[in-house]
Amino acid sequence: AQSVTQPDIHITVSEGASLELRCNYSYGATPYLFWYVQSPGQGLQLLLKYFSGDTLVQGIKGFEAEFKRSQSSFNLRKPSVHWSDAAEYFCAVGPFSGGYNKLIFGAGTRLAVHP
Amino acid sequence: DADVTQTPRNRITKTGKRIMLECSQTKGHDRMYWYRQDPGLGLRLIYYSFDVKDINKGEISDGYSVSRQAQAKFSLSLESAIPNQTALYFCATSDGRDTQYFGPGTRLTVL
Repeated sequence: AQSVTQPDIHITVSEGASLELRCNYSYGATPYLFWYVQSPGQGLQLLLKYFSGDTLVQGIKGFEAEFKRSQSSFNLRKPSVHWSDAAEYFCAVGPFSGGYNKLIFGAGTRLAVHP
Repeated sequence: DADVTQTPRNRITKTGKRIMLECSQTKGHDRMYWYRQDPGLGLRLIYYSFDVKDINKGEISDGYSVSRQAQAKFSLSLESAIPNQTALYFCATSDGRDTQYFGPGTRLTVL
């Protein structure tokens, strides 16, 4: 069965420090992978997505993610975190069976940023 | 104006009451989805619709029903609300190719 695991429930970093949020998935074929961010009181906003091709994907707000097939991972990174990055981050897998765009989400990682 | 809107944004109700959450979109997408978010569980799919005549159950549809009144409108109903349906509910749309676009959410509390 398809699943997504985000091992870290909470992460705290200092402003200006680098960030890596982990995501591991279980899926029978090459998945479509997404990272969404949810700011307090807001809906989910797409940060980036991977479908095929270059395994290093650039997204909005300075984020990037790398697809590693051998590790079944799609970790999100940012070289220098800003206080406004404090939010909850969700990794998702899109099993596009028959064109059905159904996402499976991880439990989320809540990021806190210290000044 | 937001592309995906949800009403109400917050709702407190009592056990046994019927509740309807509404979602409207201006993106012109055919596909619409309802999710619920619970702490530590991420988002789980309740129902999805690929057009006005196509409604499908998601992984946690028990206790919920939906209505797709038009391409732009997709409503979620709780026929008889219970406390464990207290959650944050999200509507989303998609053009079927890749990205889903989410509304701001409805926080529902069932007492």
